[in-house]
Amino acid sequence: QSALTQPASVSGSPGQSITISCTGTSSDVGGYIYVSWYQQHPGKAPKLMIYDVSNRPSGVSNRFSGSKSGNTASLTISGLQAEDEADYYCSSYRSSNTLIFGGGTKLTVL
Amino acid sequence: QVQLVQSGAEVKKPGASVRVSCKASGYTFTNYGISWVRQAPGQGPEWMGWINVYNGNTNYAQNLQGRVTMTTDTSTNTVYMELRSLRSDDTAVYYCARHPGYCSSTSCFSYYFDHWGQGTLVTVSS
Repeated sequence: QSALTQPASVSGSPGQSITISCTGTSSDVGGYIYVSWYQQHPGKAPKLMIYDVSNRPSGVSNRFSGSKSGNTASLTISGLQAEDEADYYCSSYRSSNTLIFGGGTKLTVL
Repeated sequence: QVQLVQSGAEVKKPGASVRVSCKASGYTFTNYGISWVRQAPGQGPEWMGWINVYNGNTNYAQNLQGRVTMTTDTSTNTVYMELRSLRSDDTAVYYCARHPGYCSSTSCFSYYFDHWGQGTLVTVSS
């Protein structure tokens, strides 16, 4: 099954904002609210940052926000901090009871 | 606090089987679904399937049907994932991950993961 499409890398300076896109189809991202985002530091398990397109779990900074338009979901990180440097993955429910992930985006804080 | 603790790293030969365990604590085990997700080196995660830990009903990813089996032991709050006929491209870190809600064999209350195990490296090599 094809992964959701994410840019391989994005970068930004401390204090700036960046946006990571996640493009799918009408059978996954575009068809459901079940888009989530995960942060993964090297050698660690993924950590939930956003669920159901735009909801933030308790304990996650409000600098992280999510949105969706059509078949593309987005994760925005404002006020970049050094500790935000990590890999980010989107995930979506896909029709026929499947979950699918993106290929990942490496965020570099300059 | 919620914890998912997985078994240790494994090295297997092609064609063999591997079983990874995931012991849950800190919450009511039978009220939440568990998925298994694997991540090959340098790749994005891949969802493998989920299990209703109360009755053992499962939903597997189509590409793993016939090779994967997920089971549950409610007496020890442990979920197991067995993968058979291992190939080199099965080399990955395998994670168990909790759905914040119930899963049946056909749907889940939620389609994201609020807690993850620490991961188990499975290496398939001759």
